[in-house]
Amino acid sequence: ELKVEQNPLFLSMQEGKNYTIYCNYSTTSDRLYWYRQDPGKSLESLFVLLSNGAVKQEGRLMASLDTKARLSTLHITAAVHDLSATYFCAGLETSGSRLTFGEGTQLTVNP
Amino acid sequence: DGGITQSPKYLFRKEGQNVTLSCEQNLNHDAMYWYRQDPGQGLRLIYYSQIVNDFQKGDIAEGYSVSREKKESFPLTVTSAQKNPTAFYLCASSSPDILNTEAFFGQGTRLTVV
Repeated sequence: ELKVEQNPLFLSMQEGKNYTIYCNYSTTSDRLYWYRQDPGKSLESLFVLLSNGAVKQEGRLMASLDTKARLSTLHITAAVHDLSATYFCAGLETSGSRLTFGEGTQLTVNP
Repeated sequence: DGGITQSPKYLFRKEGQNVTLSCEQNLNHDAMYWYRQDPGQGLRLIYYSQIVNDFQKGDIAEGYSVSREKKESFPLTVTSAQKNPTAFYLCASSSPDILNTEAFFGQGTRLTVV
């Protein structure tokens, strides 16, 4: 069974700074997803990573996947307050379709 | 437009009552999921279904039931056996198709016991 772990769980950063959220998973996964959740809202899809070495970027967020290390990262560049949210990674199991989530990283960007 | 629709947005349940949450998708996705989220917490998997007429228990299935009679629909019933049902419920869908890789969420149903 796939296990997904994120760290850190809480992240407070200043505007303009860079930081990385890490997502480790335990077994082979077909796909790795990143989502954003604002308070009281549902999850918004950010990225889908399919293969080793995959890198995707949208604005100040960049996600990457290393399948050999079973690690995905979400890198934040020059953070702004609007990025404050909770970020989740999730893996889709190779056998079957079970979609397993990490605990989430609550990001606060301070002025 | 394709997407996932959950209804109702808010639901109130009396003690001992069963309630059903609706989830419909028109994305032609094979797999559908139900998650529960408590305040300040992550997502816990209740049930998931890979194909019509088949579903599997997730990590917290006790007190819940589902059906998958149509590809588009995956309703969740919260039974009276679920002693603490107050939570935010999220439905999602995905496809094994390599050309259709996104997994999308509905807007959620907030259930409160009164």
